[in-house]
Amino acid sequence: AQSVSQHNHHVILSEAASLELGCNYSYGGTVNLFWYVQYPGQHLQLLLKYFSGDPLVKGIKGFEAEFIKSKFSFNLRKPSVQWSDTAEYFCAVTHVILTGGGNKLTFGTGTQLKVEL
Amino acid sequence: DAGITQSPRHKVTETGTPVTLRCHQTENHRYMYWYRQDPGHGLRLIHYSYGVKDTDKGEVSDGYSVSRSKTEDFLLTLESATSSQTSVYFCAISGTDLNTEAFFGQGTRLTVV
Repeated sequence: AQSVSQHNHHVILSEAASLELGCNYSYGGTVNLFWYVQYPGQHLQLLLKYFSGDPLVKGIKGFEAEFIKSKFSFNLRKPSVQWSDTAEYFCAVTHVILTGGGNKLTFGTGTQLKVEL
Repeated sequence: DAGITQSPRHKVTETGTPVTLRCHQTENHRYMYWYRQDPGHGLRLIHYSYGVKDTDKGEVSDGYSVSRSKTEDFLLTLESATSSQTSVYFCAISGTDLNTEAFFGQGTRLTVV
């Protein structure tokens, strides 16, 4: 079965520090990869996505992620975090095909990021 | 934001009672999903739908049923609520193109006492 692992469950950083959140997935076929963010009390919003092409993808708010196929990884990075980046971050991978088609997103367990002033 | 509305947004119910959560979309997307979010587990798929009256189970479907009688509505029913079903429930939608992301509703916080 497909799975997604996020290695860091809680991360605390000071403003302006660099961020890297790890994400590894287990699936042998073609994948679509996502990072979602959930600000406190809100729903999930898409940060960035990878479908194909350049393995370095840029998202909103200065985030980027690199797809390394050989390592089954899709790590999220930001050079300089801000207090407003405090949120929970989820890595997700689409399953190939469900009954009737469609994408099943398999999520990692999430990383709580706290940015301190 | 995608046109997804979940109702109710908050609900407290007693053990053993039936509960129905509603997800309504205005995007005419084919696929609709129900996830539950619990600390330490991320989001887990309960059920999904790939068309009107076409539904299937996800990874944590026990104790839940769904129905989709119209493209725009996807209902999640807890037949007999238990405390283990206390959670935040998210509805999501996605289009036909496989290279597309899912859009999420605002969530429903359900407490079973």
